[in-house]
Amino acid sequence: GAGVSQSPRYKVAKRGQDVALRCDPISGHVSLFWYQQALGQGPEFLTYFQNEAQLDKSGLPSDRFFAERPEGSVSTLKIQRTQQEDSAVYLCASSPSINYGYTFGSGTRLTVV
Amino acid sequence: GESVGLHLPTLSVQEGDNSIINCAYSNSASDYFIWYKQESGKGPQFIIDIRSNMDKRQGQRVTVLLNKTVKHLSLQIAATQPGDSAVYFCAESNTGANSKLTFGKGITLSVRP
Repeated sequence: GAGVSQSPRYKVAKRGQDVALRCDPISGHVSLFWYQQALGQGPEFLTYFQNEAQLDKSGLPSDRFFAERPEGSVSTLKIQRTQQEDSAVYLCASSPSINYGYTFGSGTRLTVV
Repeated sequence: GESVGLHLPTLSVQEGDNSIINCAYSNSASDYFIWYKQESGKGPQFIIDIRSNMDKRQGQRVTVLLNKTVKHLSLQIAATQPGDSAVYFCAESNTGANSKLTFGKGITLSVRP
């Protein structure tokens, strides 16, 4: 596609519910990143994939967060047993190569009630 | 809707004037820097990047300046337009260590007509 596509655009989850957020990167982009952006803050790194390999997951805030990219294209960020502090915008970005021109999607706004 | 720029510092400029947005980065080992623009409800949009072997780079109406001695980055926007109103983030990366971007706190640019 022309850009990075994320779905759903908005998600409301009850506390304790599991959610799955999808990212479709730009076709052919090797690198894929997930970021979390709280209201009024800059994005914060969660995890990074190069093709299907998850090379860095140091930013995942707890073991309730899990990300995968099994075929090196689409990625899913899963949050188990959601908590109110998980409410944020989750951004996905992709890049044709390492450290070059990251393109962000519009994000998924997660609200945990 | 919610504002990306909530609680962020604000720079107010007159339409047609030049804008200068400053950023102090934290990691002296960072060697790749990007400026992003973010409008409400959208993901960060790439504006311009610069690597540490340069101190200046120009794009269309934008110039980025890098001063590694004092760890300072600036974005200059010429002839600021109402469409430039947004939140601006600088981001840094240490490409030798990993690929993740670390974002600054962000500045809201408000253009007065």
